[in-house]
Amino acid sequence: EAQVTQNPRYLITVTGKKLTVTCSQNMNHEYMSWYRQDPGLGLRQIYYSMNVEVTDKGDVPEGYKVSRKEKRNFPLILESPSPNQTSLYFCASSNQLHYGYTFGSGTRLTVV
Amino acid sequence: GQNIDQPTEMTATEGAIVQINCTYQTSGFNGLFWYQQHAGEAPTFLSYNVLDGLEEKGRFSSFLSRSKGYSYLLLKELQMKDSASYLCAVRALGAGNMLTFGGGTRLMVKP
Repeated sequence: EAQVTQNPRYLITVTGKKLTVTCSQNMNHEYMSWYRQDPGLGLRQIYYSMNVEVTDKGDVPEGYKVSRKEKRNFPLILESPSPNQTSLYFCASSNQLHYGYTFGSGTRLTVV
Repeated sequence: GQNIDQPTEMTATEGAIVQINCTYQTSGFNGLFWYQQHAGEAPTFLSYNVLDGLEEKGRFSSFLSRSKGYSYLLLKELQMKDSASYLCAVRALGAGNMLTFGGGTRLMVKP
């Protein structure tokens, strides 16, 4: 089944403890993105990748890092999480410019 | 930068037709997308417009006017399962496949 898989689905962590949210797609898509979704603010793009080793900042990149060493994987790294990074995170991938992104199921992160 | 506006909430009756509007301002337009998102779930792709006019997909249609910076999503024969948020997203020229989303419109369908 064609899908985008994120892990974990839920995570509660403490301020300052490094964490990684994994994202993997099995559709050989070139484009991958990370979004966060907060009430009243909608979906905001964190980072974006056009292909292996090609990444770019979105609208809210501060406090996040990404890497794209393989086409299928696009992990999101929080080196030192803070409470303002508590949010619902979505990974998404797309292959062609006239098709929409396929989203993962989301990761609900709470930083205390 | 880009600015995308949608109504926050709408209510409609089962079996009726509803139109959800989206206006946008962008330095260079390269496509508009509509997504549906049920509460607690991931967004799912509904439609894509890059040229002016109407795109129809079953009960859902999407319209675009580039000169007016305006799009709408039309939902016909509303069903209870259509209760969800509808997200408008714009892609700018030179932005690869990066999308900027509006805040979304929460649609409540009542019996």
